Amino acid sequence: ILNVEQSPQSLHVQEGDSTNFTCSFPSSNFYALHWYRWETAKSPEALFVMTLNGDEKKKGRISATLNTKEGYSYLYIKGSQPEDSATYLCARMNTGFQKLVFGTGTRLLVSP
Amino acid sequence: KAGVTQTPRYLIKTRGQQVTLSCSPISGHRSVSWYQQTPGQGLQFLFEYFSETQRNKGNFPGRFSGRQFSNSRSEMNVSTLELGDSALYLCASSSMGPSNTEAFFGQGTRLTVV
Repeated sequence: ILNVEQSPQSLHVQEGDSTNFTCSFPSSNFYALHWYRWETAKSPEALFVMTLNGDEKKKGRISATLNTKEGYSYLYIKGSQPEDSATYLCARMNTGFQKLVFGTGTRLLVSP
Repeated sequence: KAGVTQTPRYLIKTRGQQVTLSCSPISGHRSVSWYQQTPGQGLQFLFEYFSETQRNKGNFPGRFSGRQFSNSRSEMNVSTLELGDSALYLCASSSMGPSNTEAFFGQGTRLTVV
């Protein structure tokens, strides 16, 4: 994998459904993996920053895991709510470079 | 605590003109990064400044430049605008750099080149 890739590109679920997204990235020279949530007409908002293989982080109904050896991270949303509707972005940072490389995001729509 | 402020929010320019965008980071943050988002593309990294020094640069032509002032405010300049420069430009600030700490984003400047 040369770039940061996210799947699926979009997702439409019903309120109460649990869902998950995938972020795949090059595993070499890995330093950190960021997850952001971006609602329409607002600024991207940081959800998690993870650095260690096996990291698991949780914020309310949202959690994330990280596998740096195989180069992937999962974001889980339990019991989706309409207010969870947003684009979820992941971004990878290499060692030695002060820049984030973003995926194109997963657009989530939660219907009531 | 005020968030990241970008001005202007919207801008319409003509091909060939130049434009300057401004970003005021969160107080105390010394790192400012700039990103471009065009339809169908992820956020593309432009450059990052820390304490008035450019530490890293993305793969953009030399028409894209930036600078950072002693108060950490940053400006981004695009000269000889092209239609393809129409995009949302976001800046993000962080205390030391976008490493193992989160970045805080502004709401962006929507640039339209006609």
